Amino acid sequence: GESVGLHLPTLSVQEGDNSIINCAYSNSASDYFIWYKQESGKGPQFIIDIRSNMDKRQGQRVTVLLNKTVKHLSLQIAATQPGDSAVYFCAETNQGGKLIFGQGTELSVKP
Amino acid sequence: NAGVTQTPKFRILKIGQSMTLQCTQDMNHNYMYWYRQDPGMGLKLIYYSVGAGITDKGEVPNGYNVSRSTTEDFPLRLELAAPSQTSVYFCASSYSQVLMNTEAFFGQGTRLTVV
Repeated sequence: GESVGLHLPTLSVQEGDNSIINCAYSNSASDYFIWYKQESGKGPQFIIDIRSNMDKRQGQRVTVLLNKTVKHLSLQIAATQPGDSAVYFCAETNQGGKLIFGQGTELSVKP
Repeated sequence: NAGVTQTPKFRILKIGQSMTLQCTQDMNHNYMYWYRQDPGMGLKLIYYSVGAGITDKGEVPNGYNVSRSTTEDFPLRLELAAPSQTSVYFCASSYSQVLMNTEAFFGQGTRLTVV
């Protein structure tokens, strides 16, 4: 879960390398997880999602892994590009309808 | 397509003033959400609504009020603005509970400064 008062962790990668962004979630009852990308001055945008009965889901250049045992989610971005520079958030939802965001990570891609 | 529209984009308030942040969506979505995002931090859920006439508290509701008289609109009210409410506010909507094939769409945000 997110700690109040801590600023976003940062990840710096070289263009072309793979990026791995991690997230810990707190609610074991959550049944759906989403990764969002937020560029400066904009609202979050959907990247990829995964249901709680799945371990892995792949999209175009992105893969989400879910480990329910330790309540951990990760986002892997292959061949990271400068356009991938942004803040990435995980989010979770459950039967109650709430969409709760976890702590984000600021990804910086060096050309 | 308009999607989720927030007004105003920027606002400066004096301590103790009140204001309403407007949010409207034209996608006939049932669920709507208000978040705040402090500088360099994540998004915190203030209030949400699963349909017209229904609202529920999120993680940080204190100091705010909402109403949902129509499907399209979900205004957020600040009654007595405080410096701690300086933040960027995002409104979002989804057709139903966010699940596979049900995506949440976000507005562009309202940047509020309380001085």
